[in-house]
Amino acid sequence: QVQLVESGGGVVQPGGSLRLSCTASGFTFSSYGMQWVRQAPGKGLEWVAFLSYDVSKKFYADSVKGRFTVSRDNSKNTLYLQMNSLRPDDTAVYHCAKLRDQWDLLPRSCFDPWGQGTLVIVSS
Amino acid sequence: QSALTQPASVSGSPGQSITISCTGTISDIGSYNFVSWYQQHPGKAPKLMIYDVSNRPSGVSNRFSASKSGNTASLTISGLQPEDEADYYCNSYTTSSTLVFGGGTKLTVL
Repeated sequence: QVQLVESGGGVVQPGGSLRLSCTASGFTFSSYGMQWVRQAPGKGLEWVAFLSYDVSKKFYADSVKGRFTVSRDNSKNTLYLQMNSLRPDDTAVYHCAKLRDQWDLLPRSCFDPWGQGTLVIVSS
Repeated sequence: QSALTQPASVSGSPGQSITISCTGTISDIGSYNFVSWYQQHPGKAPKLMIYDVSNRPSGVSNRFSASKSGNTASLTISGLQPEDEADYYCNSYTTSSTLVFGGGTKLTVL
């Protein structure tokens, strides 16, 4: 079955960096766009970034633009999120999710399924 | 990228129906039929319930239905069951090729 497993979360000081990974299985990873969504403790979902299946399209939320970079290695079935200049308000569980439709270059339609997430805490 | 507007909470008794609204703008809900709804139980990953305004993925109960009018989308759950108690989020594609979520609605089944 389709499975997404995030890793790489942890505690980091303000201004620091962290790289998250999302390892996929059960589907042809190289055919699907992927996204990152985060959820601060006790808060709602916030869309973070999208990367098309062929890496030609990248889109970011204004809150992370210039600080976060999304990438993928289709040979390793893995999606990444490089997070730099981290701030306390970046503290959240970070979920990755698979675009429902194959070959779509844009984050339209919907995402299914989602991973369980990895917790990032930015604190001194 | 302002969040879509959802009521913070709704409640209903088992067997009743409830509707959750999701209000956006002409830059998101009003421009595309790319509205989706997600259900999230505490400590769990979000689950897709509705996509492209009103389509149900296989495996989702037909008690869940949704629609859109103008800049507002709505999710209706009929025949409420205890397991429906969860947080619900709407989501829309935007004219900036980004996505925006609603603030979330906590559904309580009394």
